[in-house]
Amino acid sequence: DAGITQSPRYKITETGRQVTLMCHQTWSHSYMFWYRQDLGHGLRLIYYSAAADITDKGEVPDGYVVSRSKTENFPLTLESATRSQTSVYFCASSESGSQAAQHFGDGTRLSIL
Amino acid sequence: AQTVTQSQPEMSVQEAETVTLSCTYDTSESNYYLFWYKQPPSRQMILVIRQEAYKQQNATENRFSVNFQKAAKSFSLKISDSQLGDTAMYFCAFMKHAGNNRKLIWGLGTSLAVNP
Repeated sequence: DAGITQSPRYKITETGRQVTLMCHQTWSHSYMFWYRQDLGHGLRLIYYSAAADITDKGEVPDGYVVSRSKTENFPLTLESATRSQTSVYFCASSESGSQAAQHFGDGTRLSIL
Repeated sequence: AQTVTQSQPEMSVQEAETVTLSCTYDTSESNYYLFWYKQPPSRQMILVIRQEAYKQQNATENRFSVNFQKAAKSFSLKISDSQLGDTAMYFCAFMKHAGNNRKLIWGLGTSLAVNP
């Protein structure tokens, strides 16, 4: 049971470059989420998706793009990375039931130089 | 707007003892869900326990239990018989019970150290 997998686990890139963080889940959960975690801010929602081809903005969407062509995948793209996007990124998924808890991947530590 | 407050940035406890982590929240909703997540040094985010607001009975998961006080908007986590593996950051989170809205509102966390 693989659950939810994020890749890469660590990434270093330069400002201005495009970078894509991958998220794959094997549970067929309807909902998927992207968060960033920064000291002093806790977890902040970037984007979420209620189903394939349905995405919506969270609290801090600027500078990020998502897509969800298949239920199991929810990639997050930084189109032109900035230093302020240095963070730990978490992907999560949950079932469609209203009481469903979110289950998280192991996170990607992204450093932008 | 909903907010979640964890007033204890850091706590410590001796192994085998009991510790309680505090969480308060602000909402005008009558039906909602509350969660505690644990984040050990390995960085994983692990669900510890979940409470549905319409249930008066406090949730329990093995050594973890909550004290849910709806009127006071308080949702504390009690860890009994603390173990070294309980050392982690603990986050309290709130979610409205509203259609397709699955957004979690997070507290800033409490860092718990279990000492041998």
